[in-house]
This record gives sequence, C-alpha cells and structure tokens, in this order.
Amino acid sequence: EAGVAQSPRYKIIEKRQSVAFWCNPISGHATLYWYQQILGQGPKLLIQFQNNGVVDDSQLPKDRFSAERLKGVDSTLKIQPAKLEDSAVYLCASSSAVSQYFGAGTRLSVL
Amino acid sequence: AQSVAQPEDQVNVAEGNPLTVKCTYSVSGNPYLFWYVQYPNRGLQFLLKYITGDNLVKGSYGFEAEFNKSQTSFHLKKPSALVSDSALYFCAVRDADSSYKLIFGSGTRLLVRP
Repeated sequence: EAGVAQSPRYKIIEKRQSVAFWCNPISGHATLYWYQQILGQGPKLLIQFQNNGVVDDSQLPKDRFSAERLKGVDSTLKIQPAKLEDSAVYLCASSSAVSQYFGAGTRLSVL
Repeated sequence: AQSVAQPEDQVNVAEGNPLTVKCTYSVSGNPYLFWYVQYPNRGLQFLLKYITGDNLVKGSYGFEAEFNKSQTSFHLKKPSALVSDSALYFCAVRDADSSYKLIFGSGTRLLVRP
C-alpha cells in the first residue's frame, strides 16, 4: 500500500514569509498528525485530526500556525509569518489503530 | 504526564556484535511503547511496538525489544549488528491521557563500524 505522502521535501524561506505543507495520509486512516522535529530532538506533536475534526492542538502556536483537513483526507499545515525558530522538519503521520506511520517530512529552513 | 528517556546520545558497536539501545519510560496506567528508526533525510520508520503480552517483542529488520515493567524499561536489541543499521533511533510512548499522541525520546544515534 502507498505510504504517507508529503510535499514539498524542502523549503527555504525568509523570516516573516509564509509557507504551506501538504500531506496525504495512508488510504483509510482516520487519524492524521503533524509533528515538528527540531534538529537533535525527537518529534513533537503540533496537531492531531480525527477525520476532519481537531482532537489535540494544545502545542500548536496558534498565532502563526494553522492546519486544516478538509473532507477528512488531505491536510495542509501553514506558517504565517515564519520565525527563525520554525526551522525544523515537519512530519505528517497517519494511523487507523495503534501504530502511526510517517511520511518523509518537509525540511524547512527559515533565513 | 507520560515521558520517555533515552540516556545515550550515541551507541557505537562493531558489525556482527550485539547491540542495545536503551529506553526508560514513565506513564500512568499501562504503557504502549514503540521504537522507530530514522535514516538521513527520511521519515520515521516503525520498528516494533509493545501493547500487552510477551515481554519480548520482535520487529522489523531483526530487531527486538524487551519490556521490563519493574525497571520501566523498553530496550531495543539486535543479536548481530549490520553497518546498514546505523541510523537515529527513537523510543516513544503513547499518551493515554488525552489524544493518544506519541511522546518521543530525544533519540539515540547508532553507529555500526565495519
């Protein structure tokens, strides 16, 4: 079966610019997650969707980050405006039960 | 609150030797524990999980992990390391308090030398 697809793979922007990431989960997976992985650290959850509803966004910086999952399938994560500290790999994962499966991630560099 | 600790930043082992990557956890209730591997410029790949049952869990690529409730540990092991096992390994626990999100350790870099 196809895995979790993410695009773009890499993005370089200047601070205060905006950026968007896209994720297509494994077919049939109701739960979708966005994680932020800063260099040298483990991934940290930003937001979790169950179908198209938000389950947990307690660690999402809502003043600059937003995410949506229209129709309960694909999802987009947006940052506006970006800060230097947003430089990280943004990982999307999906699950249908206990195990989560991750995409390759989008590496964001904010200059 | 749930937490995971990986006490070693790096583990070095010679090819053919056994390897162990350590993980300890703190949870309320029964733990759901996971190991993931990350190769350069790749996402996390699922290796194995413990939910219940046998304390020795077998996973992908010849890896296994031993769940020890008394020591609150979930160490990753492999009897004979390969150079291709060199990667970043993450232990994670599922948060049972709210959304069941994964809480990850800081990662351990495994370096297998020829």
